[in-house]
Amino acid sequence: DGGITQSPKYLFRKEGQNVTLSCEQNLNHDAMYWYRQDPGQGLRLIYYSQIVNDFQKGDIAEGYSVSREKKESFPLTVTSAQKNPTAFYLCASSAGQGNTEAFFGQGTRLTVV
Amino acid sequence: GENVEQHPSTLSVQEGDSAVIKCTYSDSASNYFPWYKQELGKRPQLIIDIRSNVGEKKDQRIAVTLNKTAKHFSLHITETQPEDSAVYFCAASGQNFVFGPGTRLSVLP
Repeated sequence: DGGITQSPKYLFRKEGQNVTLSCEQNLNHDAMYWYRQDPGQGLRLIYYSQIVNDFQKGDIAEGYSVSREKKESFPLTVTSAQKNPTAFYLCASSAGQGNTEAFFGQGTRLTVV
Repeated sequence: GENVEQHPSTLSVQEGDSAVIKCTYSDSASNYFPWYKQELGKRPQLIIDIRSNVGEKKDQRIAVTLNKTAKHFSLHITETQPEDSAVYFCAASGQNFVFGPGTRLSVLP
């Protein structure tokens, strides 16, 4: 379904713990993105990557880290430095540098308990 | 960087009426303008897009217009149906996608 998969769908984390969200795509897309969505809010860019082994900070990168060791994978780590991590996280990919359709994963809902 | 504004934040229309959502952007380098529909708890999905070399594009009941000079673009939905109820996001894209804050559309039967 769209060729981009996020896991898990729901994730619970204790305060002070790091947690990694998975994003995998089989669309052969160069670009991948991570967005955060809070209830009733829009999509805010956390990090993006235009090519393997390279990534850039988005508008709200503090408290998050990413890696892009493989074209297919763009995992997001939510660190203990993120003060308010409870949110819906969406991963997306596109073929080009933001000038072609972005396909979204089904999202991961992270809750801090 | 790019900044995208979107209005209105909520919109209620009667079934069969038209709905219009407007967006403005700040970066003249942006050249791709997609619109996404997100139903509750689901992923955003592309419904229509337009590139900077085109002024208008239509797909059945949905149309998008772009004014590059004024840096604004709009989504038009005609003959609205209850299944059109969702949150709609515009985006402006050059190097990456910057989304507007969204419009919650409710189509009342």
